[in-house]
Amino acid sequence: RKEVEQDPGPFNVPEGATVAFNCTYSNSASQSFFWYRQDCRKEPKLLMSVYSSGNEDGRFTAQLNRASQYISLLIRDSKLSDSATYLCVVSNTGGFKTIFGAGTRLFVKA
Amino acid sequence: SQTIHQWPATLVQPVGSPLSLECTVEGTSNPNLYWYRQAAGRGLQLLFYSVGIGQISSEVPQNLSASRPQDRQFILSSKKLLLSDSGFYLCAWSVRWDPRQGYTFGSGTRLTVV
Repeated sequence: RKEVEQDPGPFNVPEGATVAFNCTYSNSASQSFFWYRQDCRKEPKLLMSVYSSGNEDGRFTAQLNRASQYISLLIRDSKLSDSATYLCVVSNTGGFKTIFGAGTRLFVKA
Repeated sequence: SQTIHQWPATLVQPVGSPLSLECTVEGTSNPNLYWYRQAAGRGLQLLFYSVGIGQISSEVPQNLSASRPQDRQFILSSKKLLLSDSGFYLCAWSVRWDPRQGYTFGSGTRLTVV
């Protein structure tokens, strides 16, 4: 079993749609969780951290379920500019052992 | 504000040649520094991380090495490149002892070994 698993997609959605990405992790001792966005041939950029209570940033909502070792990202009212690969990231205490998921590819079409 | 610089942006090297990629961070002190590699269509693989000058931890045994000669400088090297070393190399930094802030990546070096 991979340490961090994501559905690779691609997800093809129309503008304005709501789309959800899921991610599971295997190490129950993991402490920090993130979603990153990576555009084609570019470096990943931090989209948002994921907190136990769940958190929201505009159209983006992230949730963490420690019991099920599961992280999710919800994008509402999708824009063309949301087209990218979304990476689920899990770190241990101290942040040294950080595992990146392989990413979920999203295409938003007009 | 903090910035991270990585160069070169692209590199084509013959098999067996040496490699040196450099990364510098500005606007912060005592950062954690990282080297990652991303093969085409794959996820990021942590190669090395460093918590201080001269302190390097290797995650994957290979023909690469890393050094941190100064607090905000991180160098990735190889004495002899292999075809399998091709990939997208990314340097990153994070705030020491506060991983909740996540990583900031440099713009990457796309290495092709021919």
